[in-house]
Amino acid sequence: DAGVIQSPRHEVTEMGQEVTLRCKPISGHNSLFWYRQTMMRGLELLIYFNNNVPIDDSGMPEDRFSAKMPNASFSTLKIQPSEPRDSAVYFCASSLFQWKTANEKLFFGSGTQLSVL
Amino acid sequence: GIQVEQSPPDLILQEGANSTLRCNFSDSVNNLQWFHQNPWGQLINLFYIPSGTKQNGRLSATTVATERYSLLYISSSQTTDSGVYFCAVLLRRTYKYIFGTGTRLKVLA
Repeated sequence: DAGVIQSPRHEVTEMGQEVTLRCKPISGHNSLFWYRQTMMRGLELLIYFNNNVPIDDSGMPEDRFSAKMPNASFSTLKIQPSEPRDSAVYFCASSLFQWKTANEKLFFGSGTQLSVL
Repeated sequence: GIQVEQSPPDLILQEGANSTLRCNFSDSVNNLQWFHQNPWGQLINLFYIPSGTKQNGRLSATTVATERYSLLYISSSQTTDSGVYFCAVLLRRTYKYIFGTGTRLKVLA
């Protein structure tokens, strides 16, 4: 398996522009997570999906952020309009969630380094 | 919300030394994982360990869920062990992983 695939690896944009980050989870996994990593705040969970349905988006910073999962093999995280404080590494992770055992091992993509100028 | 604290925050070792990293959590959890973030930023899953002890080469981990802590042991450290080590706990009620603050390890040749 190719693992969790994220694109782009690096994104440099100007303040006010729309940014779209993409993620392809591991085939067969039913849970997908978006994390943001900064020096100040560490790894923060933004949103997670189970069976393509958003379960908890309480970590999404504000209305400028939105995430979708139209099917089991693709998710996007969009920032519109982007601001310099959004600069961070954004990680996507996936797992196979099983209700009875809550037995899920988390696998991460390589991340997207976002710089908003 | 749940607090996940790791110690020490920073650690410098000479190659060949042993070390113990600790993860404390403030609430009941379903399971716990340890990750290594290498200098290139990649997050690698080391252990899935809700309880008990596991070993993988020079690394081993122990979780005592009833006392709400986990330990990661690194023996005969190598420069390639450098990076940041995170523990992440899965909350019983919400089924989402929360990450600790991390331990930054530097192994000197």
